[in-house]
Amino acid sequence: KQEVTQIPAALSVPEGENLVLNCSFTDSAIYNLQWFRQDPGKGLTSLLLIQSSQREQTSGRLNASLDKSSGRSTLYIAASQPGDSATYLCAVNNSSNTGKLIFGQGTTLQVKP
Amino acid sequence: GAVVSQHPSRVICKSGTSVKIECRSLDFQATTMFWYRQFPKKSLMLMATSNEGSKATYEQGVEKDKFLINHASLTLSTLTVTSAHPEDSSFYICSGRTGGQPQHFGDGTRLSIL
Repeated sequence: KQEVTQIPAALSVPEGENLVLNCSFTDSAIYNLQWFRQDPGKGLTSLLLIQSSQREQTSGRLNASLDKSSGRSTLYIAASQPGDSATYLCAVNNSSNTGKLIFGQGTTLQVKP
Repeated sequence: GAVVSQHPSRVICKSGTSVKIECRSLDFQATTMFWYRQFPKKSLMLMATSNEGSKATYEQGVEKDKFLINHASLTLSTLTVTSAHPEDSSFYICSGRTGGQPQHFGDGTRLSIL
């Protein structure tokens, strides 16, 4: 059974810092992995999607890496801003047929001005 | 593109009533829709998967008679919480996808049962 874990659960950094969020999964036979952002009381916004054959994806100040063999992914946020404050969720898709996503518990990020 | 609209965004009702939540894909045909439940400061837990025109597939531990899911068209799925009780209070989020594409999420519904 696939399990997804995110560390740390919460993180507080001053504005401008670069930071790394971690995600690990127990079953390396994944189809793809996604990073989402969730603002309080809101739905999910997809940030980056990495296919199992890819090593990383970049969008603006965000870079996500995937090491399938070790069951790890990281989300790197460069030059953090207060507007980056949110909960970041990692989700693994084991099957393209079902499309089911298994989510980690999330990392709640606070960027202080 | 790929917008999913969820309604209502918040609902407060008395214990014992039934509550219906709608999930609509506005600009794509959602062949599959998913319903999730999220407890405070917890992750999303998949409740059920529904394919248009078929019965929903429920995850282990989810009562199908309690959480009725209907996916009658390619743009609309509904979740009805029957005879709701305070323990059903939660944040419910739907998503839709077409074919093998990634899921697109609604903004969620905050359900509070008094």
